[in-house]
Amino acid sequence: GAVVSQHPSRVICKSGTSVKIECRSLDFQATTMFWYRQFPKQSLMLMATSNEGSKATYEQGVEKDKFLINHASLTLSTLTVTSAHPEDSSFYICSARKTGGSYNEQFFGPGTRLTVL
Amino acid sequence: GQSLEQPSEVTAVEGAIVQINCTYQTSGFYGLSWYQQHDGGAPTFLSYNALDGLEETGRFSSFLSRSDSYGYLLLQELQMKDSASYFCAVRGGYQKVTFGTGTKLQVIP
Repeated sequence: GAVVSQHPSRVICKSGTSVKIECRSLDFQATTMFWYRQFPKQSLMLMATSNEGSKATYEQGVEKDKFLINHASLTLSTLTVTSAHPEDSSFYICSARKTGGSYNEQFFGPGTRLTVL
Repeated sequence: GQSLEQPSEVTAVEGAIVQINCTYQTSGFYGLSWYQQHDGGAPTFLSYNALDGLEETGRFSSFLSRSDSYGYLLLQELQMKDSASYFCAVRGGYQKVTFGTGTKLQVIP
């Protein structure tokens, strides 16, 4: 077990539009999920920590009004990129920690490649 | 803040042993993890060290020295499928995990 899915896997949108990315834990509950972005050949940069039923905690430099995070259930977190611009084009990856599980292990989704034209 | 450094690229021969080092500077430290990521794919968890010493899992071993702020991932009996990027990651406070710069391993025949 411990499968995390993301939808969509790829999205292309026009500048100025908003895009919603879903992250689901398929076979476990996840009180905490994490959102990362990764530029080509670079490391994963943590954007925010998403906690079920509460506001997300954003990393320094990440605009919370631009990257809206909602974690409404124990199996779903969503990231909405509002008014997307070409510089937002990136690989967005979510991860989830099992509720009551080890703090040391995160299970990653397959990622969503966003291209903003 | 957190910073982790790794070599950017490593090349090794199939069947050989390779070591990927990671040095870190962190404001809080609970443990060091290693992740593997193939091109275009998601990271997958390999190992975790909270205490000094060597942890072995099959062909992969991970080492930690907290006093030196240093760890490494050791891959033995390299296979072509091991070609991937490897990231060390530090778990700090509030469950936050900070990833290293990543090491691209190329296994050659």
